[in-house]
Amino acid sequence: EVHLVESGGGVVRPGGSLRLSCAPSGFTFDDYGMSWVRQAPGKGLEWVADINWNGGRTGHSDSVKGRFTISRDNVKNSLYLQMNNLRAEDTAFYYCARGGNTRRPTYSDYWGRGTLVTVSS
Amino acid sequence: QSVLTQPPSVSGAPGQRVTLSCTGSSSNIGAGYDVHWYQQLPGTAPKLLIFDNTRRPSGVPDRFSASNSGTSASLVITGLQAEDEGDYYCQSSDSSLNGGVFGTGTKVTVL
Repeated sequence: EVHLVESGGGVVRPGGSLRLSCAPSGFTFDDYGMSWVRQAPGKGLEWVADINWNGGRTGHSDSVKGRFTISRDNVKNSLYLQMNNLRAEDTAFYYCARGGNTRRPTYSDYWGRGTLVTVSS
Repeated sequence: QSVLTQPPSVSGAPGQRVTLSCTGSSSNIGAGYDVHWYQQLPGTAPKLLIFDNTRRPSGVPDRFSASNSGTSASLVITGLQAEDEGDYYCQSSDSSLNGGVFGTGTKVTVL
């Protein structure tokens, strides 16, 4: 059974940094592209970043470009989101999600339960 | 602000048919990019409902179906059930963006 478990969320001050991790299980990690999607409390879904199977192709939303970086380590079976210069508007649940194939995902067929990032002074 | 617009809410009685719309433009749905749909029940992570415009993942009931027309897409729920109550999001790609885009979301209420 496919499982995705996010970790690394917490409370951070504006301007601070956090690194989110996602631990997959139940499938061959390097057979799939992956995404990070966030959801502010009570709001809709927002695509944040995605990556293809080997990390050679990535994409980041304009709202996080230059501040967040998606990466993966297929040896350690892990997906990451490095978040720098955090702002109050980055406060959200961050979901790790699996794509449908090796390419940068166009949809996500499995999702983790999310980790909450709160940016507050 | 999303480039895919969905009505904020839709409601129906049990057993009824409801249609959820997702309105885009010539740079996303109208450009031929695939549309995908997700269901998010209260307090849970999103779940893939429809991918590649019309395909259902295994385990998704055939009460859920979808189609595209021009710059819009629709999700139809037939035989509405109490367990269908939640938020529904469409997703596509856009030629002006560097990745995916989600719709604004529709809350489905079962009366």
